[in-house]
Amino acid sequence: DGGITQSPKYLFRKEGQNVTLSCEQNLNHDAMYWYRQDPGQGLRLIYYSQIVNDFQKGDIAEGYSVSREKKESFPLTVTSAQKNPTAFYLCASLAGGPLSDTQYFGPGTRLTVL
Amino acid sequence: QKEVEQNSGPLSVPEGAIASLNCTYSDRVSQSFFWYRQYSGKSPELIMSIYSNGDKEDGRFTAQLNRASQYISLLIRDSKLSDSATYLCAVMFPWGGATNKLIFGTGTLLAVQP
Repeated sequence: DGGITQSPKYLFRKEGQNVTLSCEQNLNHDAMYWYRQDPGQGLRLIYYSQIVNDFQKGDIAEGYSVSREKKESFPLTVTSAQKNPTAFYLCASLAGGPLSDTQYFGPGTRLTVL
Repeated sequence: QKEVEQNSGPLSVPEGAIASLNCTYSDRVSQSFFWYRQYSGKSPELIMSIYSNGDKEDGRFTAQLNRASQYISLLIRDSKLSDSATYLCAVMFPWGGATNKLIFGTGTLLAVQP
């Protein structure tokens, strides 16, 4: 089955702890994205990567870090510098090409700070 | 002014009726427009994309784009209980160089009543 997987589904973090959220895709998509969604709000872009070994900050990158060592994988680390990390985190990938700019989402990870 | 605006709702319609969801956007340069459906606790799933002025129909769904008015709508005919969800409007904006950025509205909650 082709698709985007995220793990874990639920994650609990203690104050001052770094945690890493996994995102894997087997769609052969070049571009991958991380979004954060808070209750009653739209999706906000954290980081994105258009190719392997390259990534760019989005609108709310502070307190987060990413890597893109493989085309299939784009993990997100939520560091202790992120003061309000409780949210729903969504990974997406994009099928590029002319008029093929549709983003597809993984199932999400719900992060809660204890 | 927000880049992509939606009425948060809830929009309540009886089963079998037509639901009309609306969205406005702030940038005339945008080329691509999307409607996503998001069930509570789940990730967004793409239901329609539209690139040209006018209507695009797919089953019970019709997306409408009016570039002059910077307005997008989604009509859902013969509404079903399973259509109850939050509908996110998204617009692809130019974002420096060859990069585009997908901006989401905050979503409209649709409640279909039996």
